[in-house]
Amino acid sequence: QKEVEQDPGPLSVPEGAIVSLNCTYSNSAFQYFMWYRQYSRKGPELLMYTYSSGNKEDGRFTAQVDKSSKYISLFIRDSQPSDSATYLCAMTYSSASKIIFGSGTRLSIRP
Amino acid sequence: EPEVTQTPSHQVTQMGQEVILRCVPISNHLYFYWYRQILGQKVEFLVSFYNNEISEKSEIFDDQFSVERPDGSNFTLKIRSTKLEDSAMYFCASSRDGYGYTFGSGTRLTVV
Repeated sequence: QKEVEQDPGPLSVPEGAIVSLNCTYSNSAFQYFMWYRQYSRKGPELLMYTYSSGNKEDGRFTAQVDKSSKYISLFIRDSQPSDSATYLCAMTYSSASKIIFGSGTRLSIRP
Repeated sequence: EPEVTQTPSHQVTQMGQEVILRCVPISNHLYFYWYRQILGQKVEFLVSFYNNEISEKSEIFDDQFSVERPDGSNFTLKIRSTKLEDSAMYFCASSRDGYGYTFGSGTRLTVV
């Protein structure tokens, strides 16, 4: 079983829709969970990170972590064409440990 | 907003040649990393560096790879004898506290 699994998409939704992106993982030792956005031929850009289970909101973005199910989600409200990118989930065991990335979900927001 | 700067943006090299990829991390960051992404594949961890030494490295980071922080601002990745399979985007990242990293825009390495 892969450590981190993420549906590669592509996912295409109309502008203004709510987008739900998800990852599952197998290692219960992961404690810190992140979402990155990556535009084509650019480096990953950190959107949000959370510690352990729970929700975190930042503007139009909400991250959820359910450690009991080993499942994390990112919700994007009022999606915009500029949100079109690849979204990478990532997780790590502790401070300064290596980050394990998912394979990324390619998202397209149709105007 | 502070950013991680990587140079060059694109490097083409012949198989067997040495390459040095350069990075300038954010100035008050203490943790430094190299990751790579082969086209169409996941972002993969190579090495982490803290307090002037390697703190963790992956299986990919074999004897052909080395990292150095030659002064207070630069962080370099050297590949001694490049192979075709080293062709990838190489990303440098830095972090103040070891959690959320800031990545650079990457160096696209093409080995021919």
